[in-house]
Amino acid sequence: GQNIDQPTEMTATEGAIVQINCTYQTSGFNGLFWYQQHAGEAPTFLSYNVLDGLEEKGRFSSFLSRSKGYSYLLLKELQMKDSASYLCAVIHRGYGQNFVFGPGTRLSVLP
Amino acid sequence: DTEVTQTPKHLVMGMTNKKSLKCEQHMGHRAMYWYKQKAKKPPELMFVYSYEKLSINESVPSRFSPECPNSSLLNLHLHALQPEDSALYLCASSPGQGNGANVLTFGAGSRLTVL
Repeated sequence: GQNIDQPTEMTATEGAIVQINCTYQTSGFNGLFWYQQHAGEAPTFLSYNVLDGLEEKGRFSSFLSRSKGYSYLLLKELQMKDSASYLCAVIHRGYGQNFVFGPGTRLSVLP
Repeated sequence: DTEVTQTPKHLVMGMTNKKSLKCEQHMGHRAMYWYKQKAKKPPELMFVYSYEKLSINESVPSRFSPECPNSSLLNLHLHALQPEDSALYLCASSPGQGNGANVLTFGAGSRLTVL
């Protein structure tokens, strides 16, 4: 089975940097993905990691350590529109496209 | 075209009704998915079609019946649902091969209410 954990809620200030952590336990691993979901809308893809290290995409970066079962999403220069839920999802090796989503972290960006 | 289109956006049905949710993509993606999402919860995988064949069925009750008529279309047939089936039903697709093979593109969802 798989177990994915994220903080339930976080609050940060506009212009700041925030790090959202995700830990996972899985008997197989084939990639970790980050999605953003605004209330009432569909999730949208942000970033993914298959190998250890940092992937940078503009204001968003994602880090993965497979040995520690750990990832984080780093959001820089926060904007009000970044208030959303952030979901990490793991693909379980051997299951093809079997994504399992973590519980999500609800981020509130305050002025 | 970089979208996944779902219809209807909203659906209200009784427990004895039969209805269908539809999903369409024209990105040439070869994997298509149905997810169920309850309020303030993450999406839960229901079904995966890979190259038009059902590859994953996450122990979903038989009152939900998926269908993949071709590589661009995915349906979810609903029959004899229960009120607890009320949720947002999300369709997604992914390339299935190459770089970014497993990156999901989601549709806007169909919000289902079962009375």
